[in-house]
Amino acid sequence: EVRLAESGGGLVQPGGSLRLSCAASGFTFSSFAMNWVRQAPGKGLEWVADISGSSGSIYYADSVKGRFTISRDNSKNTLYLQMDSLRAEDTAIYYCVREQWRVSGVLDSWGQGTLVTVSS
Amino acid sequence: DIQMTQSPSTLSASVGDRVTITCRASQSISVWLAWYQQKPGKAPKLLIYKASSLETGVPSRFSGGGSGTEFTLTISSLQPDDFATYYCQHYNSYPWTFGQGTKVEIK
Repeated sequence: EVRLAESGGGLVQPGGSLRLSCAASGFTFSSFAMNWVRQAPGKGLEWVADISGSSGSIYYADSVKGRFTISRDNSKNTLYLQMDSLRAEDTAIYYCVREQWRVSGVLDSWGQGTLVTVSS
Repeated sequence: DIQMTQSPSTLSASVGDRVTITCRASQSISVWLAWYQQKPGKAPKLLIYKASSLETGVPSRFSGGGSGTEFTLTISSLQPDDFATYYCQHYNSYPWTFGQGTKVEIK
């Protein structure tokens, strides 16, 4: 069974930093591209970042480019999101999401999410 | 960026009804469209990909159609478990974007 477990969320002041982690199990982690998708309270879904299995290809939404860094450690089956220069508008539930095997863009398995709150 | 627009934003229906949700893309995305279901407090769940391919384990009452800029998600006979919010998402090119969501409510 595919399992994605996010951690690292919490309350942070504007301008601060936070690192999210996602522990993956139940599949060959290094074979799948992974993503972060977020959802502000009561709002819709927003794709944040994408990283290929080998980390050779990385893409970001314009709203986070230059402030967030996606990375992965395949030896630890873990996905990361380093979030710097946080803003109030970054407040959201952050989901760790797996892409369908060899099908870029289809988000077939989601974690339960971790809440990030940016507030003073 | 490609904008995705869903209609309606809210839909009131009864158990057994046939329900259709529309998703329009601001430019052609061929068939590179997925549909997701989200229940309150839960993560989204993949229902349909490549516009009309049913994800494994998803009931056959769900179907998708369309190509280019106009797409539909149809539930042939609405069940109590189907009351949720539905999102479309394109994956034609980066950045991937979602529609604003359609909430299916009990009438």
